[in-house]
Amino acid sequence: DTAVSQTPKYLVTQMGNDKSIKCEQNLGHDTMYWYKQDSKKFLKIMFSYNNKELIINETVPNRFSPKSPDKAHLNLHINSLELGDSAVYFCASSQEARGWPGNTIYFGEGSWLTVV
Amino acid sequence: EDKVVQSPLSLVVHEGDTVTLNCSYEVTNFRSLLWYKQEKKAPTFLFMLTSSGIEKKSGRLSSILDKKELFSILNITATQTGDSAIYLCAVVDVWDSGGGADGLTFGKGTHLIIQP
Repeated sequence: DTAVSQTPKYLVTQMGNDKSIKCEQNLGHDTMYWYKQDSKKFLKIMFSYNNKELIINETVPNRFSPKSPDKAHLNLHINSLELGDSAVYFCASSQEARGWPGNTIYFGEGSWLTVV
Repeated sequence: EDKVVQSPLSLVVHEGDTVTLNCSYEVTNFRSLLWYKQEKKAPTFLFMLTSSGIEKKSGRLSSILDKKELFSILNITATQTGDSAIYLCAVVDVWDSGGGADGLTFGKGTHLIIQP
């Protein structure tokens, strides 16, 4: 069973479109995250939710809107996609809302987004 | 079954050489072909080709598509050690109504090593 699963795995879309990436975790964790890994391989946190409540909201364009319908799901919706949004987006979860290394974070396999 | 076949699977050349990477495909409904450069984890988008015979160029890299013979080539001239990476070819067979595609079929990649 996949602990943290995200869909789609690959996504190609044209500039200006709106797209969503979905994430689900079956670990019973309270906290979920979205990270962005750009072409320089740098992993940056975007958002964190604890029990459906937003607790981390880094400086991210407001075209990015996370939605957590329940604590097992955290979806990422992106409006008006731009070329610079091309990246791999990783969903993750952890039991507690503390920063690591004190807290094990489990990552999904990533969603490759290409904006053309 | 849709197939995307890349050749060679691996290639070692010296800096300054020119290389040609191949991608052939058999898909039921072809829409577009994409080339990516993958170093470590996050891939970098290179080109998207939709029309036959039109060369796309970016610096020392260029690519062309032949829809009659069902293949594409990626050329890299005056190679540098920084060109060492896995080059992936992917084919889109359906664009959804939202202007995106999440049904990409990837080849296995060509592992290119540039020796100084």
